[in-house]
Amino acid sequence: AQKVTQAQTEISVVEKEDVTLDCVYETRDTTYYLFWYKQPPSGELVFLIRRNSFDEQNEISGRYSWNFQKSTSSFNFTITASQVVDSAVYFCALEVDGADGLTFGKGTHLIIQP
Amino acid sequence: NAGVTQTPKFQVLKTGQSMTLQCAQDMNHEYMSWYRQDPGMGLRLIHYSVGAGITDQGEVPNGYNVSRSTTEDFPLRLLSAAPSQTSVYFCASSYLDRGLQETQYFGPGTRLLVL
Repeated sequence: AQKVTQAQTEISVVEKEDVTLDCVYETRDTTYYLFWYKQPPSGELVFLIRRNSFDEQNEISGRYSWNFQKSTSSFNFTITASQVVDSAVYFCALEVDGADGLTFGKGTHLIIQP
Repeated sequence: NAGVTQTPKFQVLKTGQSMTLQCAQDMNHEYMSWYRQDPGMGLRLIHYSVGAGITDQGEVPNGYNVSRSTTEDFPLRLLSAAPSQTSVYFCASSYLDRGLQETQYFGPGTRLLVL
């Protein structure tokens, strides 16, 4: 069975600080995908990134960066110079078999204070 | 493209009532799925479909039925609503690439309250 753990239930930082959201996953499969989604207060789910298990390169997209480490089964998400608009719940998810859907973590509520 | 649409956006039911949550996508995606989101629980898969005429159960299927008569539509039916089904329901769709999903597109969600 698959499992995704987001140990940080809630994080609160002051605007312009850097913040890292942790994601640890468990699977016995060697082929899988990892995802991050953002859920702002409006409630929709916004896709951020999809990374396959064979690509351990870190990725940077503007102020967002992702660190994938198979050795520690982690796929952490860092926001640099955080902004109030980054306030949201962030979900990490794992896919090992398309038909079984995604296994989501419980989410991290990120609060960026002005 | 409208993407993934869901109706209604909000619904109040009494215990024992039935209803259908509608989901449609216009991207010709083979894969469609329904999740429920409860506070502190993340999203959990209810049912999914890999194509028209094919459906299967996810992690929490009890109390829900689905059908997939067309590629575009994937309705979720609550046969006899219970307070435990109070939740936010998300429909999603994606292409399948060698059995794995491409990017999932989520609908805006349906907020359901069962009294």
